[in-house]
Amino acid sequence: DAGVTQSPTHLIKTRGQQVTLRCSPKSGHDTVSWYQQALGQGPQFIFQYYEEEERQRGNFPDRFSGHQFPNYSSELNVNALLLGDSALYLCASSLASDQPQHFGDGTRLSIL
Amino acid sequence: GNSVTQMEGPVTLSEEAFLTINCTYTATGYPSLFWYVQYPGEGLQLLLKATKADDKGSNKGFEATYRKETTSFHLEKGSVQVSDSAVYFCALTPILTGGGNKLTFGTGTQLKVEL
Repeated sequence: DAGVTQSPTHLIKTRGQQVTLRCSPKSGHDTVSWYQQALGQGPQFIFQYYEEEERQRGNFPDRFSGHQFPNYSSELNVNALLLGDSALYLCASSLASDQPQHFGDGTRLSIL
Repeated sequence: GNSVTQMEGPVTLSEEAFLTINCTYTATGYPSLFWYVQYPGEGLQLLLKATKADDKGSNKGFEATYRKETTSFHLEKGSVQVSDSAVYFCALTPILTGGGNKLTFGTGTQLKVEL
């Protein structure tokens, strides 16, 4: 039973570029959330997708956008990258909105 | 808004020592409470949870009790092992209103267990 998988594992970009991160939820899960974890901090909620729509959004600018596909997989897109976007980006999935979330190992994004 | 406050680390213990990591929260109503653990280079793993007052979550020797009167969810283990060395996060989700189970995390507490 595959858990939550994220790709790529590591990514290096420069300021101003755009990036796309990908997530496949745990088998049977239909809800995907994205979190940003800065070094030494707890994860911060970016947004959540359910039935291909953004259901909740945290305090992140419009440069952060996402998508959920019919197979429940999801992408996180970040435009106009800033140095402060350097972080571990975590994807989490759950079955419906009242079940615990299961996390992937994350994508480490470094901005030069 | 919702918030979680954890004791600062790192916490350094000898193997077989007793562990307590304090966690308090601010939220309206009755949130669900969680402890997640993060090993180096990995994502977060759910350690235990409690969904209502006085519930005790437990897993792998770790326990935490949902105390509404003190808005706390302290993590305890009677005898830690070197393999317990990790960062521990306390988190909550609010009462569902229109869907969504957004997690609000504390800043994490690093635990180091030495022989």
